[in-house]
Amino acid sequence: GQQLNQSPQSMFIQEGEDVSMNCTSSSIFNTWLWYKQDPGEGPVLLIALYKAGELTSNGRLTAQFGITRKDSFLNISASIPSDVGIYFCAGLTSGTYKYIFGTGTRLKVLA
Amino acid sequence: EAQVTQNPRYLITVTGKKLTVTCSQNMNHEYMSWYRQDPGLGLRQIYYSMNVEVTDKGDVPEGYKVSRKEKRNFPLILESPSPNQTSLYFCASSLVTGVGAKNIQYFGAGTRLSVL
Repeated sequence: GQQLNQSPQSMFIQEGEDVSMNCTSSSIFNTWLWYKQDPGEGPVLLIALYKAGELTSNGRLTAQFGITRKDSFLNISASIPSDVGIYFCAGLTSGTYKYIFGTGTRLKVLA
Repeated sequence: EAQVTQNPRYLITVTGKKLTVTCSQNMNHEYMSWYRQDPGLGLRQIYYSMNVEVTDKGDVPEGYKVSRKEKRNFPLILESPSPNQTSLYFCASSLVTGVGAKNIQYFGAGTRLSVL
């Protein structure tokens, strides 16, 4: 089945550093979503993007919908210990409700 | 409290023994979906449902069945489980809204299944 390429697979960073991760696809999506999963829990939506070129922020998080509609980026500024978790991107094609998820980026923050 | 409830949270079974994982949501959502999560593969959609009696295959439907007889419930059925179905399973639900609106999926806490 179709999957999104998400990178990096994992990151170890110092508290206070900025973080960047991205997702790329061979297919065009009309919606890009970014989720965070804490240990032992289900994913929680962080940011949703609906238009090519859109840049949206949610606190310290900023995500962008790529111009080609085949990629998306998530940035976290000034990381804190509670940012630890797995971050997933997901794409949705117009006219369907079939979500395609990325393979995840595991983030660890060193205090 | 708005939530998606899955049961059981943990299940160990043997090959070939039919099982059902239940999923219930209290938000009157039309859309419900099942995913499996495996290391290095992220979340893969198994089946989804746009409304009562309307279901469709996701990316990895083989070996699974679902039903949507009521709006709030969307059980996942494994008629004859096999070891390759050992995984972490998530149920999710959302409203079905128009293009451009927020399709926020709410996820359950997960069911960890081991098939021996």
